[in-house]
Amino acid sequence: QSALTQPPSASGSPGQSVTISCTGTTDDIGSYNYVAWYQQHPGKPPQLIIFDVTKRPSGVPDRFSGSKSGNTASLTVSGLQAEDEADYYCTSYTDSDTYVFGTGTKVSV
Amino acid sequence: VQLQQSGPGLVKSSQTLSLTCAISGDSVSTNTVAWTWIRQSPSRGLEWLGRAYYRSKWRNDYAPSLKRRITISADTSKNQLSLHLTSVTPDDSAVYFCARRNYGGPNGLDVWGQGTTVTVSS
Repeated sequence: QSALTQPPSASGSPGQSVTISCTGTTDDIGSYNYVAWYQQHPGKPPQLIIFDVTKRPSGVPDRFSGSKSGNTASLTVSGLQAEDEADYYCTSYTDSDTYVFGTGTKVSV
Repeated sequence: VQLQQSGPGLVKSSQTLSLTCAISGDSVSTNTVAWTWIRQSPSRGLEWLGRAYYRSKWRNDYAPSLKRRITISADTSKNQLSLHLTSVTPDDSAVYFCARRNYGGPNGLDVWGQGTTVTVSS
């Protein structure tokens, strides 16, 4: 199972928006609405920010939003804040009854 | 819910890596969750290793690349999860995390252990 493809980096100024793509295949993203996104700050475990493509766990700001089209999922962070500077990872359920992570994107603010 | 990981930080090549994840605030046998191991290294990024979950009986799913070497098991008497990875090589050096996937809540890994850095020496 190959990792999902994300751009290595993305950046934006405070208040701007940034969108991160996550490309998979028909074996994962294209066939299931079980895409999740995680935010990870240095030295910390990842934190769930989006699940089931578009849903936010309680406590996650609505500045974070997710979407999907075909084999590609996307995470948009609107109104960028300094604390949004982190690594972001997508993940999807696969037809092998397993999960696969993305390659990760470093967001700079 | 809290997950407390323990285990050696140094393992020799060809030996078995063993880690435990003590669960508090939830039961390892809860039938709406799955207990998962993930690792992270600079070369591999985040890698899903496998999961154990109870649905009338214990079930496992493993990453295809590790299927021959990995065992994830639950100890209900201690309410903990274990990971065993055999025949390790330096390529298995990583930070290992346990996490809960909560199908009864947000369908993602909503609780994580603190991570255990494991180095495999050659």
